[in-house]
Amino acid sequence: GQQLNQSPQSMFIQEGEDVSMNCTSSSIFNTWLWYKQDPGEGPVLLIALYKAGELTSNGRLTAQFGITRKDSFLNISASIPSDVGIYFCAGQGPMTTDSWGKLQFGAGTQVVVTP
Amino acid sequence: DADVTQTPRNRITKTGKRIMLECSQTKGHDRMYWYRQDPGLGLRLIYYSFDVKDINKGEISDGYSVSRQAQAKFSLSLESAIPNQTALYFCATSDFGQRQFFGPGTRLTVL
Repeated sequence: GQQLNQSPQSMFIQEGEDVSMNCTSSSIFNTWLWYKQDPGEGPVLLIALYKAGELTSNGRLTAQFGITRKDSFLNISASIPSDVGIYFCAGQGPMTTDSWGKLQFGAGTQVVVTP
Repeated sequence: DADVTQTPRNRITKTGKRIMLECSQTKGHDRMYWYRQDPGLGLRLIYYSFDVKDINKGEISDGYSVSRQAQAKFSLSLESAIPNQTALYFCATSDFGQRQFFGPGTRLTVL
């Protein structure tokens, strides 16, 4: 079952504010991914992280692979209305028979942006 | 054109009916996946396939079956649909960097 804890579950923010969310795992991960899902659509990949400590940006989005390899963070700066949606973290653990080629997903953070 | 397509996008059916959801991809990836999404539960893996001759169960495979007809095609079947299989279903492909790319989803309602 799911082993990723993603928080917060939801957040209501005003346009222009910065947003932060995070994911923690009970085990070490080799890969962290962040996705965004718009209503009625499939998740879209935002950022992929492969090394502990890695900090990667994609426009106003910045994500970090935690030093302990058990967590990851996503920040959205200067939010705009189109940032509304559900953001998911996903990760892959060490290359064991059980985890190889599979991702574990967080339950998602619902972001609502008000004007 | 979308890299990962799913048909149908919406389906309403009755308990006991057999349903097939289809997925096609043009990304050239060997790995394909089927997920189910329920509110508040995120994405749960149903089945996955690493190549045409490889099929593996995920965490919630009971009541589902799959067929990998070709590298580009992976279908999901519900042999006898039940109401608690009402959900959003997503197909995904993966490259060797573990990045997964999702289709637009199928909304299935079982009455």
